[in-house]
Amino acid sequence: EPEVTQTPSHQVTQMGQEVILRCVPISNHLYFYWYRQILGQKVEFLVSFYNNEISEKSEIFDDQFSVERPDGSNFTLKIRSTKLEDSAMYFCASQGSSYNEQFFGPGTRLTVL
Amino acid sequence: GNSVTQMEGPVTLSEEAFLTINCTYTATGYPSLFWYVQYPGEGLQLLLKATKADDKGSNKGFEATYRKETTSFHLEKGSVQVSDSAVYFCALGNAGGTSYGKLTFGQGTILTVHP
Repeated sequence: EPEVTQTPSHQVTQMGQEVILRCVPISNHLYFYWYRQILGQKVEFLVSFYNNEISEKSEIFDDQFSVERPDGSNFTLKIRSTKLEDSAMYFCASQGSSYNEQFFGPGTRLTVL
Repeated sequence: GNSVTQMEGPVTLSEEAFLTINCTYTATGYPSLFWYVQYPGEGLQLLLKATKADDKGSNKGFEATYRKETTSFHLEKGSVQVSDSAVYFCALGNAGGTSYGKLTFGQGTILTVHP
């Protein structure tokens, strides 16, 4: 069964460093998302991506964040200069059509020291 | 803006017990409503959904009914199994039956079922 994969499963970084979280969505899916969950808090929407551009973003998704689909298969989230408060589980999701469900990856746990 | 309030956990039950996890929402219009489940080490999986008032979503013995009058979408199962142990998330999406666009999640409820 097709699934969304994410790498790495756990990323530890120093404050101020850049990190890139990688996601491989399900093949032929058209809509892509990033969410995050700070420990003990709700899963929060970050950004949606369709047709090679951002379709919606939340207040969290400021200039420090960017997304890219560089090669038609990977979908990446970059945080330019990490802060302690960026420590969270980051989930990628993909969707085949607007009436199908969003399929989630297992998440990347980001720890900023 | 949209918001989801979900029953605080954790919830601990014995096998074959009845399960209810409460979920209420605040939104304009008629959003789509979802329950997602996360098993240990895995991503969130869609458990069931409802796209309009009075719709009942069901899957794997779980049910939830879209109640517009009480703005609720409570999850129920008549007889839980140990394999149901997981984290359950209530979520709200866009209106019109679509699943496109951002999902607004509740805080998640940890369910543990003992033999």
